[in-house]
Amino acid sequence: AQSVTQLGSHVSVSEGALVLLRCNYSSSVPPYLFWYVQYPNQGLQLLLKYTSAATLVKGINGFEAEFKKSETSFHLTKPSAHMSDAAEYFCAVSGNSGYSTLTFGKGTMLLVSP
Amino acid sequence: DTGVSQDPRHKITKRGQNVTFRCDPISEHNRLYWYRQTLGQGPEFLTYFQNEAQLEKSRLLSNRFSAERPKGSFSTLEIQRTEQGDSAMYLCASSPEGTGELFFGEGSRLTVL
Repeated sequence: AQSVTQLGSHVSVSEGALVLLRCNYSSSVPPYLFWYVQYPNQGLQLLLKYTSAATLVKGINGFEAEFKKSETSFHLTKPSAHMSDAAEYFCAVSGNSGYSTLTFGKGTMLLVSP
Repeated sequence: DTGVSQDPRHKITKRGQNVTFRCDPISEHNRLYWYRQTLGQGPEFLTYFQNEAQLEKSRLLSNRFSAERPKGSFSTLEIQRTEQGDSAMYLCASSPEGTGELFFGEGSRLTVL
């Protein structure tokens, strides 16, 4: 069984500041890990995914995430926030076969102020 | 590639009525998923298909919920005898086999009065 915990339902940053969204996972098998973003009135869009290759994964829009097995974490970062990054972000986990379903966290709303 | 499309985008119904949602996946994807999302929560898995076979349905919320994918293309999700607690966003996603990467539609929002 897999589960995901996202710390902080809301994160506020200033434009240009570092973005850090936290995700911890639990999995009985080596996991696949994903970050999705949901802009208002739009569907979820894949930002990046980890599938047991490189532990540092680069995604779209300047986001990246690092898989740390010892900490069971997959935190999402971006060096410099932009106003357009304001959205809800979801971390998700699945079993490593790629055949199991995704289990999502509750999401973190990122607020970016000028 | 036109993406995953869902219809209707919004549905308002009275308690006790039946509703049906349709999902058209990305054409070359053989996996199709249904999720439900309520306010303040992440998407919650309901069921999925590989081609026309429904491989997991134990997570459907009750026997009032059913899903079909008769020819391995589009899918429908039906809720019978709707209750106010069924009010939510119903999300459809499709995936190429073996990648675990889901492509989501914009969802169908259900409001039960």
